[in-house]
Amino acid sequence: QKEVEQNSGPLSVPEGAIASLNCTYSDRGSQSFFWYRQYSGKSPELIMSIYSNGDKEDGRFTAQLNKASQYVSLLIRDSQPSDSATYLCAVTPSGGYQKVTFGIGTKLQVIP
Amino acid sequence: ETGVTQSPTHLIKTRGQQVTLRCSSQSGHNTVSWYQQALGQGPQFIFQYYREEENGRGNFPPRFSGLQFPNYSSELNVNALELDDSALYLCASSLAGSADTQYFGPGTRLTVL
Repeated sequence: QKEVEQNSGPLSVPEGAIASLNCTYSDRGSQSFFWYRQYSGKSPELIMSIYSNGDKEDGRFTAQLNKASQYVSLLIRDSQPSDSATYLCAVTPSGGYQKVTFGIGTKLQVIP
Repeated sequence: ETGVTQSPTHLIKTRGQQVTLRCSSQSGHNTVSWYQQALGQGPQFIFQYYREEENGRGNFPPRFSGLQFPNYSSELNVNALELDDSALYLCASSLAGSADTQYFGPGTRLTVL
C-alpha cells in the first residue's frame, strides 16, 4: 500500500465548476496535510495546509480532512483555466522530523 | 517566486559519473530537504539537513549524499550515476519543525545517458 494515494487523472472539469481532488494516506499517526500545485515544468507550490479534522477555506480553495477515514480532499470552486495543473497531496508522518511524503499527483484540466 | 535558488538548471551526465547539485535557502530558513521527482511521479524525499547534520533520510542508497553549510546552503552529491537517476531534483528550505514553511526551488533537471 502506498503511503499517500491519489488518482493520477486527468480530471477534466468545465470552467466555473467545482473540482474535487481526493487523497488517502496510510499512516494513521500522520500530523500535517498539504496540497501543492505544480504547473508543468515548474516546482511545487504550497496552496493549502490543514492539521485538524474539518474544513479549511482560503479563497476558492477548501481543504477537508477526516483523520478517522484517513482522507484529505481539496475543492476548487469556480475553476479557471489557470487552475489547470497537477495537484499533489502531501503528508508529514508521525515522527520527529519534517519528511514530507507526496502522492503521485492528480492532473486537473479546466476546459474553457 | 520563492527565495530558494538551485544550480545548475539542467545537467547531462553519463552513467557512472558523479554529480553535485547546489541549493541556496530562503533567508531565515535553517532546514533543507532534497527530493527526487521522476517524470509523472510525485517528489520522493531523499534527505533533510538541519544544523549541518542529516536529520532524516528516505529510501535512497548511500551513493546519494549531502552537505549543509553554515549559511544553510546545501549540496546534493550523487555518485556512480545510473539511468534511473534521471529526474528533477528539488531542494526545499523551511524552518525547523515547520513543514508548512517549506518552499521549493526551481529544481535541477538531471539527464543520465
